[in-house]
Amino acid sequence: NAGVTQTPKFQVLKTGQSMTLQCAQDMNHNSMYWYRQDPGMGLRLIYYSASEGTTDKGEVPNGYNVSRLNKREFSLRLESAAPSQTSVYFCASSEGGSYNEQFFGPGTRLTVL
Amino acid sequence: QKEVEQNSGPLSVPEGAIASLNCTYSDRGSQSFFWYRQYSGKSPELIMFIYSNGDKEDGRFTAQLNKASQYVSLLIRDSQPSDSATYLCAVGGGYSTLTFGKGTMLLVSP
Repeated sequence: NAGVTQTPKFQVLKTGQSMTLQCAQDMNHNSMYWYRQDPGMGLRLIYYSASEGTTDKGEVPNGYNVSRLNKREFSLRLESAAPSQTSVYFCASSEGGSYNEQFFGPGTRLTVL
Repeated sequence: QKEVEQNSGPLSVPEGAIASLNCTYSDRGSQSFFWYRQYSGKSPELIMFIYSNGDKEDGRFTAQLNKASQYVSLLIRDSQPSDSATYLCAVGGGYSTLTFGKGTMLLVSP
């Protein structure tokens, strides 16, 4: 099992460009998450999908959109990238429910110039 | 606003010593508690979880939970240089999301 996979691993964008970060999991998990991690700020939740067909905002959703394509895949889109979105992005998945062990992908390092 | 607080460190311990990492949380309704290890440039890796008051041991790791004091800790016995990493505490409240602390950096010197 690959667990949680993310593409791309690295990306450089210019301000105003758009891109989609891809995430897939092969653990048959119900819930999927997108986080960003910045120095001194810890992990912050951007969006999550508690189950296939649902998505909800997290702590820092502005400037992002998500799509739960199917049970396996959850994408994060930046419509018009800004330098403030320079960060490391992690996707995670879990079975969901009350006891919520989350498993993380390897991350995407994004730089917006 | 749910908060999870950790000392940022670094916590420095000699090889073979016990490292003690601490975490406090604000939401009394929290039900699940997790410790993640994150090496520099890598993603967080789940190493322990605990749901009930008391201690839970797994190899060299012991998680301790005190819900009355809203306090979670992680003890690492016989610390090794390979344990040098940032340790993230995460707390869940009976719904799908977790709140993460900012992490404590642990440095184990040979």
